[in-house]
Amino acid sequence: QVQLVQSGADVKKPGASVKVSCKASGFTFTSYGISWVRQAPGQGLEWMGWISAYNGDTKYAQRLQGRVTMTTDTSTSTAYMELRSLVSDDTAVYYCARKATGQPPDYWGQGTLVTVSS
Amino acid sequence: DIQMTQSPSSLSAYVGDRVTMTCRASQGISNYLAWYQQKPGKVPKLLIYAASTLQSGVPSRFSGSGSGTDFTLTISSLQPEDVASYYCQKYNSAPLTFGGGTKVEIK
Repeated sequence: QVQLVQSGADVKKPGASVKVSCKASGFTFTSYGISWVRQAPGQGLEWMGWISAYNGDTKYAQRLQGRVTMTTDTSTSTAYMELRSLVSDDTAVYYCARKATGQPPDYWGQGTLVTVSS
Repeated sequence: DIQMTQSPSSLSAYVGDRVTMTCRASQGISNYLAWYQQKPGKVPKLLIYAASTLQSGVPSRFSGSGSGTDFTLTISSLQPEDVASYYCQKYNSAPLTFGGGTKVEIK
């Protein structure tokens, strides 16, 4: 069965970086892309970006450009999202989700809570 | 970038009621519109894609319609387990913007 298993919760200080992992199983990783979505406490869903697991192409949300990097490791079927220069507003649950070309994200990871606090 | 606007932001209805919520795109997106359900403390779940196609396993009381800029999600008979926030998302091209959500509660 399709599964996306994310890394555990993390606490970071302002100005630090965080790297969240998303390990895929149950499907051919390189036939899909991975979208990243975050949700601040009590808020809605925010699309952060997408990476193709086939060729590494990326698309990032404009407001995160320059602070976010998405990568994949096809040898382990794992996607990564790194966010730098963290501020308190980056406190959120971060989700990865599988996405096929021309389709919406369908299977989602369990979410990773990242807390930014001094 | 295309903006996605959902209304209402919240609604309250009785069990068994027909519930309708809307999502409007600031430009046409054909039928590249998905609906997600997120129950409190849970992961978002894909309900509908291509504006009106039910994802496998989703109860038939959920339906979607629309094309271009105006879309609707309908719950034909509201059930207690439908208490959740519902989000639309465009997925024709990046950015894959979400609407602000509609929170559904039981009266």
